[in-house]
Amino acid sequence: GESVGLHLPTLSVQEGDNSIINCAYSNSASDYFIWYKQESGKGPQFIIDIRSNMDKRQGQRVTVLLNKTVKHLSLQIAATQPGDSAVYFCAENFNRDDKIIFGKGTRLHILP
Amino acid sequence: NAGVMQNPRHLVRRRGQEARLRCSPMKGHSHVYWYRQLPEEGLKFMVYLQKENIIDESGMPKERFSAEFPKEGPSILRIQQVVRGDSAAYFCASSLRGEDTEAFFGQGTRLTVV
Repeated sequence: GESVGLHLPTLSVQEGDNSIINCAYSNSASDYFIWYKQESGKGPQFIIDIRSNMDKRQGQRVTVLLNKTVKHLSLQIAATQPGDSAVYFCAENFNRDDKIIFGKGTRLHILP
Repeated sequence: NAGVMQNPRHLVRRRGQEARLRCSPMKGHSHVYWYRQLPEEGLKFMVYLQKENIIDESGMPKERFSAEFPKEGPSILRIQQVVRGDSAAYFCASSLRGEDTEAFFGQGTRLTVV
C-alpha cells in the first residue's frame, strides 16, 4: 500500500500569503522525496526535491523541509499567486533507482 | 528536447475491447514508469521498465494488463478486455539512470470505457 499520506485534502490561502502543505511518510528507509504540482487535465510537474541527508532545500518561491525524526515533509510556497492553484503531491523514493510512490494530494485554493 | 509524449490523449473503448497506450520517453531516458490516477486521487504505481526489461510490476493487475518497453519505439501499456473500472487517467514518466532520478511526466491518456 501507499506509505505517503497528507494531513489535509484541501487548503485555501489568500493571494499573497504563504502556503504550507504537509505530508507524512511511514517508511524510514525512504531517502529521496519530491513535490509535484498537478494542474487540471495535466500531468504532474516537478517542483522541488530533497535527499534524506538534508533537512531544508530552497527553490524559487518554494522551500521543502524534511523532518526525519517525525517522518514529516512540508512544502512552503511564498507569496502565493493564482497560478499556484493546483493539487500538490508529495512522493518518495526508497532508493535512487526505484519507483516513486505518491501520496494522495492536497488541493490548493487561492482566495482573491 | 521534447518532453514525455503520450498518445492518444483521450481513448474511448467499449467493454471487452483492447486499449493500447503509448509513451515515448524524453530523449536519452532509459527508465519508464506507468501510473494510474482516478479522479480526485493520487497516482498509483503500476509498472517500472527499462529497455527490454520489466524491473517492477508490483502495481500491475495480474490479469488483462501488460507493459513493454522495446529496444526501439515507445513503451506500451496494454489493457485487454477492458471493463468500466479501467476508466482512469494513465500517466507515464521517464527518468535517467543513476543519480538523477527526477521523473518527468507526460500529459496522460484518459481512458473511458463505455
